[in-house]
Amino acid sequence: DTAVSQTPKYLVTQMGNDKSIKCEQNLGHDTMYWYKQDSKKFLKIMFSYNNKELIINETVPNRFSPKSPDKAHLNLHINSLELGDSAVYFCASSPFDRPRNTEAFFGQGTRLTVV
Amino acid sequence: AQKITQTQPGMFVQEKEAVTLDCTYDTSDPSYGLFWYKQPSSGEMIFLIYQGSYDQQNATEGRYSLNFQKARKSANLVISASQLGDSAMYFCAMREGGTGGFKTIFGAGTRLFVKA
Repeated sequence: DTAVSQTPKYLVTQMGNDKSIKCEQNLGHDTMYWYKQDSKKFLKIMFSYNNKELIINETVPNRFSPKSPDKAHLNLHINSLELGDSAVYFCASSPFDRPRNTEAFFGQGTRLTVV
Repeated sequence: AQKITQTQPGMFVQEKEAVTLDCTYDTSDPSYGLFWYKQPSSGEMIFLIYQGSYDQQNATEGRYSLNFQKARKSANLVISASQLGDSAMYFCAMREGGTGGFKTIFGAGTRLFVKA
């Protein structure tokens, strides 16, 4: 009974392609996130959604478009993939009603390699 | 500006000894949360410990304790009795925000190597 699950775990694709990463959480959380971890292991928040609504967008290129069909799902679609998009992408979730004292629960990550 | 600073890119510790991983943070919000996560080589992010800005006592979770010095804005992680399985990346993180949304931001991480 995985709490936050992402698919796929690995994704290898050519430059210029469009790809999606799916994320689902079964924790009943209101808030979901996408993080990017680069080759130097630096974790940077990309987006935050609360109850299907975008609340944080951290200066991410327009080629990245999150979609939240319901509060348990937050998918990430990437258009026209570039070499620099190669990274590990983490989905995470947390409850909104305890905003500061609750850790984010992370998915296992999706390693995206653009060739 | 860096909000979370981890100044030790890598640390070595002998098995069974204690180690302190440094973390300083910067915020003007009086209410915030501080977290430590472990990322082993398998890649998953594992929550270790939490400290609230209003908590009077330092947080402890088993072999992990958080040395919280609010005036100095530091939240160092202490791992006692290191084990080989503690070898991993460790991230300090802060959760802050308000009506515009809450987010958890991470430091650059410290890679810990435990020697047998």
